[in-house]
Amino acid sequence: AQTVTQSQPEMSVQEAETVTLSCTYDTSENNYYLFWYKQPPSRQMILVIRQEAYKQQNATENRFSVNFQKAAKSFSLKISDSQLGDTAMYFCAFMKGTNTNAGKSTFGDGTTLTVKP
Amino acid sequence: DVKVTQSSRYLVKRTGEKVFLECVQDMDHENMFWYRQDPGLGLRLIYFSYDVKMKEKGDIPEGYSVSREKKERFSLILESASTNQTSMYLCASSHIRGYTFGSGTRLTVV
Repeated sequence: AQTVTQSQPEMSVQEAETVTLSCTYDTSENNYYLFWYKQPPSRQMILVIRQEAYKQQNATENRFSVNFQKAAKSFSLKISDSQLGDTAMYFCAFMKGTNTNAGKSTFGDGTTLTVKP
Repeated sequence: DVKVTQSSRYLVKRTGEKVFLECVQDMDHENMFWYRQDPGLGLRLIYFSYDVKMKEKGDIPEGYSVSREKKERFSLILESASTNQTSMYLCASSHIRGYTFGSGTRLTVV
């Protein structure tokens, strides 16, 4: 079974600064996907960024980028130029790359990020 | 964009009631999921479905059942609601690009 660990329950950052959220995972699979999801207070959870394990290049989406270290099973999220709207709980998630598990993801426990003005 | 709609944002039910939480997605996704989210416990999978009438138990299925009669609709049923089922319930559909979540239903059982 896969496990996803987010070791930082809470973090804070000053507006306009950069912050990195950590995530490690454990799997014996070679083909998989990794995700970061964002859940703002009292709002819907949305997908932030996605990484295919077979790709060496780190994914980027505007101010969000990942540092994917496959050998170390590490998948951190970097938020540049933090904005007040980035305040949210962030979940790291793992999904096998086959269809046999019905697309089921394993989630970490989340990191609550507060951006301070 | 895929939309996942949960029928109620807030619900208050009495202990012992049968409760239905409805979830509808507007794309042709085969996979749908029900999670509950509690502070300090993250997201816990209750049930999931990979096709019409097909379902599998997740990590915490006790006290719940599901129904998937049509591809777009996945219902979570609390057979006899109890106070320990007070929680936020999240529905999601998935494809290889990730999950799309509904807005969540905050259920309070009194």
